[in-house]
Amino acid sequence: KNQVEQSPQSLIILEGKNCTLQCNYTVSPFSNLRWYKQDTGRGPVSLTIMTFSENTKSNGRYTATLDADTKQSSLHITASQLSDSASYICVVTDRGSTLGRLYFGRGTQLTVWP
Amino acid sequence: ETGVTQSPTHLIKTRGQQVTLRCSSQSGHNTVSWYQQALGQGPQFIFQYYREEENGRGNFPPRFSGLQFPNYSSELNVNALELDDSALYLCASSLRLAGGYEQFFGPGTRLTVL
Repeated sequence: KNQVEQSPQSLIILEGKNCTLQCNYTVSPFSNLRWYKQDTGRGPVSLTIMTFSENTKSNGRYTATLDADTKQSSLHITASQLSDSASYICVVTDRGSTLGRLYFGRGTQLTVWP
Repeated sequence: ETGVTQSPTHLIKTRGQQVTLRCSSQSGHNTVSWYQQALGQGPQFIFQYYREEENGRGNFPPRFSGLQFPNYSSELNVNALELDDSALYLCASSLRLAGGYEQFFGPGTRLTVL
């Protein structure tokens, strides 16, 4: 069964600190993995996208890693800001369906305190 | 902004009623996917339309139906509303990229069923 599991479920950090969010998946055949940021009540916005051959991708203070052998990914946030408070969702696309079926994790709810 | 718009922003209905949600895709995109996101959960795939034809469906009953129009705008219709249908409904339009399709999400429609 294709699944995406994220941890932790929620996380509270102080402004300026770093944090790492985890994603494990069983989706096969694998096409790509994305990390999305979703503000409360809004649609998800893509942060990074990685294919099988990529093992790291950065977008400003966000750095994603991918280990396709162990089927694990992480999202590292550096020097957190209050605006980073959001849900971070790991999404894996399978290569089996014609137009790329997405499998979503439940998200990690990050809260940054001043 | 992703260029994907949804209407209405918020909607309140009562059990048994019917609802139509609308999505306008990003220009040039010919695929739209609809998702249901309950509070604190990741989005759940409802169905996908490609060139006006349903191209895949998640585990949702037939009272969830959709349409995609020649201009690639889309509708999600839900009949006989139930309390559990209360959720954020997201649409996402697709543009093909190397390694898979990137889906761009709209801001969502918050549906409350009383």
